[in-house]
Amino acid sequence: AQSVTQPDIHITVSEGASLELRCNYSYGATPYLFWYVQSPGQGLQLLLKYFSGDTLVQGIKGFEAEFKRSQSSFNLRKPSVHWSDAAEYFCAVGAAGNTDKLIFGTGTRLQVFP
Amino acid sequence: DAGVIQSPRHEVTEMGQEVTLRCKPISGHDYLFWYRQTMMRGLELLIYFNNNVPIDDSGMPEDRFSAKMPNASFSTLKIQPSEPRDSAVYFCASSLGGLGGNTIYFGEGSWLTVV
Repeated sequence: AQSVTQPDIHITVSEGASLELRCNYSYGATPYLFWYVQSPGQGLQLLLKYFSGDTLVQGIKGFEAEFKRSQSSFNLRKPSVHWSDAAEYFCAVGAAGNTDKLIFGTGTRLQVFP
Repeated sequence: DAGVIQSPRHEVTEMGQEVTLRCKPISGHDYLFWYRQTMMRGLELLIYFNNNVPIDDSGMPEDRFSAKMPNASFSTLKIQPSEPRDSAVYFCASSLGGLGGNTIYFGEGSWLTVV
C-alpha cells in the first residue's frame, strides 16, 4: 500500500530565506504526487502536482518540487519565503490505476519570522 | 466557478445527537471524497464516490457513520449518534476523472465539535 512520510513536523525560517520541505513516499509503481497548502481555518489548496514527464514541477506562489525516483522523494522548495507562506503543507500520493485514493502525509507546519 | 461547497462550516452538538454534513461538489465532477482531519490522525479518507456510487468506504470508522450521494450535485455524511471523539474537521472534495492526471479540489471544511 502507498504511504507518505513528512519527517519535519514544524519548520521555522526567516522571511527571505530559502525553504525545502521533505516528502518521502512508498509505492511500488509510478505514483502521482501532490503538494497542498492549508492556511489556518481554510481548506486545502493545490500547490503543484507530478504525474509524469519533467521531474521538476513548477507550482503556484513560486513553489517548485522535484521528483527523485531513486530516493522516493518529492521535496517542495521555494527560493525566498514570504510571511504569507506561513501555513501547513501536505504531501500526498495517489496510486495510478487500481484506486483513486489520495493518501496524505502528516503535514509540516511552516512558521515564518520577519 | 464556485468551488466545493460545504455546510455547515461550524457545528457544536451534544453527544448522542445526530449530525449531518453536506457537500455540493464542483459541477461536472464525477468523483466525490470525504476526508476527516484530526490532530492525532491527520487527513484520513473516509469514503469516495464515482458517479454517485460508493466505491470505497473502508475508511469509515464505524457503523455510526454513513454517507450518501443521491445525485451528482449533493452528498451527505451523517454521524448518529455522535461522540466527542468524532470532533474533527470534515472535508469534502471532488474531481473530474479520479486521480489519473486530475486534481482533487477541497471544500473549506466543516468544523465539528461534539461535547
